[in-house]
Amino acid sequence: GAGVSQSPSNKVTEKGKDVELRCDPISGHTALYWYRQSLGQGLEFLIYFQGNSAPDKSGLPSDRFSAERTGGSVSTLTIQRTQQEDSAVYLCASSFTSGSGNEQFFGPGTRLTVL
Amino acid sequence: AQSVTQPDIHITVSEGASLELRCNYSYGATPYLFWYVQSPGQGLQLLLKYFSGDTLVQGIKGFEAEFKRSQSSFNLRKPSVHWSDAAEYFCAVGPLGGSNYKLTFGKGTLLTVNP
Repeated sequence: GAGVSQSPSNKVTEKGKDVELRCDPISGHTALYWYRQSLGQGLEFLIYFQGNSAPDKSGLPSDRFSAERTGGSVSTLTIQRTQQEDSAVYLCASSFTSGSGNEQFFGPGTRLTVL
Repeated sequence: AQSVTQPDIHITVSEGASLELRCNYSYGATPYLFWYVQSPGQGLQLLLKYFSGDTLVQGIKGFEAEFKRSQSSFNLRKPSVHWSDAAEYFCAVGPLGGSNYKLTFGKGTLLTVNP
């Protein structure tokens, strides 16, 4: 079946602009995760959804970052007033449930460049 | 809190040589352990995982890893490396269940394969 898809694959924006990144999880997966991969920082957890709820948003780096998930499927990560330090690859993952040991399947990522 | 250390940032091997990538974790109990591979411009692909039982686990593409509780290690091995194995490799721990649902990654090891 289809894997996790993300769009756009690349996004170049100017400092101060807002961006939206989209994630389509694997059908039937109830849990969805956003991670950020940046040089020198490795992979950082941002936020997790179980269904449409986000039990923990503490990984979001600032209040300029927000995310939502609708219909228990598609998720959008929004970054407002982008800064150069937001440049990174944003990875989305999904898993069947969020229980212990559940394998997370990753999308190809969105590479964000803030000029 | 759990943490993962990959001591080697960059490793270079010749094609056909054996490979061992090191991973050490910190957690009070037996964690769930994963190795992921990321090829340039791609998302993360799961190579193998350890949950319990046999401490030597087999994965895809001829990789294996051994869990050693006494050393808090989960090293990845391959007896004969192919040029297509050139990529970045990430060790991860979690999720641990309950309110702990995220993967914690090491910083990654970049593998270069010389012909």
